[in-house]
Amino acid sequence: EIVMTQSPATLSVSPGERATLSCRASQSVSSNLAWYQQKPGQAPRLLIYGASTRATGFPPRFSGSGSGTEFTLTISSLQSEDFAVYYCQQYNNWPPGTFGGGTKVEIK
Amino acid sequence: EVQLLESGGGLVQPGGSLRLSCAASGFTFSSYAMSWVRQAPGKGLEWVSGISGSGGDTYYADSVKGRFTISRDNSKNTQYLQMNSLRAEDTAVYYCAKISSTSCYRPVDYWGQGTQVTVSS
Repeated sequence: EIVMTQSPATLSVSPGERATLSCRASQSVSSNLAWYQQKPGQAPRLLIYGASTRATGFPPRFSGSGSGTEFTLTISSLQSEDFAVYYCQQYNNWPPGTFGGGTKVEIK
Repeated sequence: EVQLLESGGGLVQPGGSLRLSCAASGFTFSSYAMSWVRQAPGKGLEWVSGISGSGGDTYYADSVKGRFTISRDNSKNTQYLQMNSLRAEDTAVYYCAKISSTSCYRPVDYWGQGTQVTVSS
């Protein structure tokens, strides 16, 4: 089973600043990597798929990069609505479609 | 508009059973794989089970294999999760999840709002 490791667990950022979240796979998942955003009390939402393709409804300040085992989600200028927990998920080696443990982006 | 509406959650004793349902609308149900993903209180997401669009292929996490059964009725646009021999560690919000392809090897593009399952005596 592929293990997905996200870092940091918590990221404190001021509004308007840049946030960089990391996701590492225990073995190559090619570009079969998705990012999800989850706000308190809500279901997750698909944010990025194919490592770098933004899903419908998300603005260009969100970007994904990487391939193989190292991936990054960047939020270029944090807005108040971006404070949430972000999860990565690999869907290259199935089953299972393993998730990372999440990164909470909080207001500094 | 894609809608996924879960039902069937609740409080059950250890060793008991529950059947979750997920009624789907807004897309051609049989053309897409479906999954169940759970989230224990204060924890992250855990993929539980998946089923292909035709229902011919099913997949399970090791933690539920042999206890849970996923199925779907394409005539009713509904997927199910039959959960037997429930344990305290199965306590979680269970999300119905639509996969973005007919096979399970793709990301989830839509999520239901979730149904709470609590296993406790």
